[in-house]
Amino acid sequence: GIQVEQSPPDLILQEGANSTLRCNFSDSVNNLQWFHQNPWGQLINLFYIPSGTKQNGRLSATTVATERYSLLYISSSQTTDSGVYFCAVSSARQLTFGSGTQLTVLP
Amino acid sequence: EAGVVQSPRYKIIEKKQPVAFWCNPISGHNTLYWYLQNLGQGPELLIRYENEEAVDDSQLPKDRFSAERLKGVDSTLKIQPAELGDSAVYLCASSLGLAEVETQYFGPGTRLLVL
Repeated sequence: GIQVEQSPPDLILQEGANSTLRCNFSDSVNNLQWFHQNPWGQLINLFYIPSGTKQNGRLSATTVATERYSLLYISSSQTTDSGVYFCAVSSARQLTFGSGTQLTVLP
Repeated sequence: EAGVVQSPRYKIIEKKQPVAFWCNPISGHNTLYWYLQNLGQGPELLIRYENEEAVDDSQLPKDRFSAERLKGVDSTLKIQPAELGDSAVYLCASSLGLAEVETQYFGPGTRLLVL
């Protein structure tokens, strides 16, 4: 099956800092989603981005499908950005998740 | 529009007891998924339904786990008997079911603790 690797596994930032999270995947995919799992466990959709670049407020994502990676950018981080960020990919309907990046934003 | 609804949110049981989780997908979503999330890991698919048909249950431990989606709307996931290793978060997700590749939307999950 498809392998998904996320880096870094843990990230601690001061409020206001910028960060980049990376997702590498082992095979061609036609579905890539970024999720934020908040401290209460809710998985929140951030981006559906199998290719190209999208932006939503302070967040943006870029997927380079031919090189099998995706990047999630967080600018001007806030304490509410804390949580785990997951990348999930699929070539059909079954999503395969990475192990996530645990982000902690300090006030 | 309401999101995916799951209940209960938390469940504590003793080992060897049965337990059931309920999921109501987003209205109009034909595809329903059950995922298992262990601590510190990403969710893993247990079973996928297209309407009332289970089309991918290869990861479901069928000796103790069962699921149903009567009438193609709500779904129930059951464990009988529960084991200590079943302690995890059980997530339900849904998608429209109109295309091969779609955005999946997740419920808040049921946190199970088996003592």
